[in-house]
Amino acid sequence: ELKVEQNPLFLSMQEGKNYTIYCNYSTTSDRLYWYRQDPGKSLESLFVLLSNGAVKQEGRLMASLDTKARLSTLHITAAVHDLSATYFCAVDWDSGGYQKVTFGTGTKLQVIP
Amino acid sequence: DAGITQSPRYKITETGRQVTLMCHQTWSHSYMFWYRQDLGHGLRLIYYSAAADITDKGEVPDGYVVSRSKTENFPLTLESATRSQTSVYFCASSGWSGSNEQFFGPGTRLTVL
Repeated sequence: ELKVEQNPLFLSMQEGKNYTIYCNYSTTSDRLYWYRQDPGKSLESLFVLLSNGAVKQEGRLMASLDTKARLSTLHITAAVHDLSATYFCAVDWDSGGYQKVTFGTGTKLQVIP
Repeated sequence: DAGITQSPRYKITETGRQVTLMCHQTWSHSYMFWYRQDLGHGLRLIYYSAAADITDKGEVPDGYVVSRSKTENFPLTLESATRSQTSVYFCASSGWSGSNEQFFGPGTRLTVL
């Protein structure tokens, strides 16, 4: 069974600072997704990473995938309050039948003005 | 409405009652999923469906029943609700286009008294 670990689980940072959220997973996969969830809301897809070395950027967020290290990072540049949310990574893996997706436990980001 | 919808958005019921949560998507996606989200547990997969009339258990299926007679609908039934099923339930769908990126409904907040 695939395990997906995110760290940190909680991150409080000041506006203008940079930080990185890490997503480690335990089995071979070359497809990984990042989602954002605002408090009381649903999940929204942020990035789809489909190969080793994939890098995607949207505004102050940049996601990358290293399939050899089984690691994805979500880098936050010059954080602003609007980025406060919970971020989930999710990993695609072959369970022997359907390609399953397992979610990490999430990283709650709080950006302090 | 285009997209993925869930109903009801909020539901309060009593222990032992049967409850059905509805999920409808307009994209004709093949795959549909039901998750529950609880503090400290992240997102847990209850059931998924690869196509109409094809369903399978996820991580926490006990106490739940699903059906999928039409591609666009994927109802989740709690046969005899228990307090431990108090949670927020999310439905999601994905259409294979080289990835399993999932699109989430707005969620149903269920309280079992």
